[in-house]
Order: sequence, then C-alpha cells, then structure tokens
Amino acid sequence: KNQVEQSPQSLIILEGKNCTLQCNYTVSPFSNLRWYKQDTGRGPVSLTIMTFSENTKSNGRYTATLDADTKQSSLHITASQLSDSASYICVVFTGGGNKLTFGTGTQLKVEL
Amino acid sequence: GAVVSQHPSWVICKSGTSVKIECRSLDFQATTMFWYRQFPKQSLMLMATSNEGSKATYEQGVEKDKFLINHASLTLSTLTVTSAHPEDSSFYICSAQPPRDSYGYTFGSGTRLTVV
Repeated sequence: KNQVEQSPQSLIILEGKNCTLQCNYTVSPFSNLRWYKQDTGRGPVSLTIMTFSENTKSNGRYTATLDADTKQSSLHITASQLSDSASYICVVFTGGGNKLTFGTGTQLKVEL
Repeated sequence: GAVVSQHPSWVICKSGTSVKIECRSLDFQATTMFWYRQFPKQSLMLMATSNEGSKATYEQGVEKDKFLINHASLTLSTLTVTSAHPEDSSFYICSAQPPRDSYGYTFGSGTRLTVV
C-alpha cells in the first residue's frame, strides 16, 4: 500500500530560526515528490518538485532534499518568517505522474 | 504557469439545499480535473476524477448521487453537493493538470462549505 508519512505532526519555532520537516514514503512506481505549502483556508501551493535523479532543490528560503534509496525527503526552511506559518504537505506522484499519495502534513507555527 | 480558479471561496447554505462549486482552468484546457475534500487538520482526500464529456469516476465510499460532477467543457468542472447536511461541511478543493505537462499539476484555492 502506498503511504507517505510526515514528521513532526506539528512544530512551533521562533521567527528567524531554521527548521527541517521530514517525509518518508513507500510509493511505487515513483514519478516525483513535491512539497506543498497550504495556508489556512487556501489550496496547496507547490514549493518544490523533485524527480528520482534529483538530490536537492531550492526555492528561495525553502530547500528540499530527496534520497531515493532510503525513500526519504526533507524540507528545510531558513530564517523563518511569520508568514511561513502553514501546513506543509509532502505528496508523492506515481505512475504517469497523475496519481497522488498525500502525507498527513506538518503544521508549522512561527512565533515572535 | 498553470492557474486553476475555484468559486466560491466560501458558502453557507441551509440543510436540504444544493450547492454548486466551480473549478476553472484559466490558461489551459483540462480534459481531467480532480475533486478533493479536506477535514480540519487532515490531508486531502480524493473524491472523484472529472472527465470532460464523460462520467466522473468516484472513489470508494463517495456517493455519486450526492456529489454530482459535471465536466461540460475543457475548462470547467462543477461539483454540486445535493441535499446538503451539516456533515457535508468541509473544505473542497479541485485540481487540474495541463496536458503534456506532468509537472503542472495545480490546485484551486478551495471552497469552504458550511451547512447550517
């Protein structure tokens, strides 16, 4: 059964600090892995897209890593801002790239 | 990039009434769109796959007579929640993917439905 697990479930950090979110998956066949940011009451917005051959990808203060051998991914947020408070969802695309397995998300809160 | 628009962003309706939610692909044609449901503090759950010009494919446990899907054009899919009840209150999100662009999968902004 395809599964995506994320940790931690929730996280509170101070503004300006860094944090790392984890994603472990057992999904086959693997097409690509994406990290999404979902603000409260909004749809998910893509942060990074990683294919099997990519190890790291950055998007501003967001850096994602992928270890296809261990089937693990991480999302590192640098110099956090209050606006980073949101749910971060790891999604693995399978097959031809249009079947999705969602992680349960990490709820991040950035405080002053 | 691919843009998916969803309307309305929120709606309140009385029990027993029907509510229609629209999902539009603004800058591409989408033969397939997807409808998700999300409860508080939970992840998205696929409800159905909307296919232009044919019947939608529903996930197991989703009542097709309650959640009517119409994909009458290449840029518009609608989800109608019929005879709504308070337990239908949820966050509904659509998505679409441009043809020949496997990385263009995009979500709409979501619709908060509250049934009173």
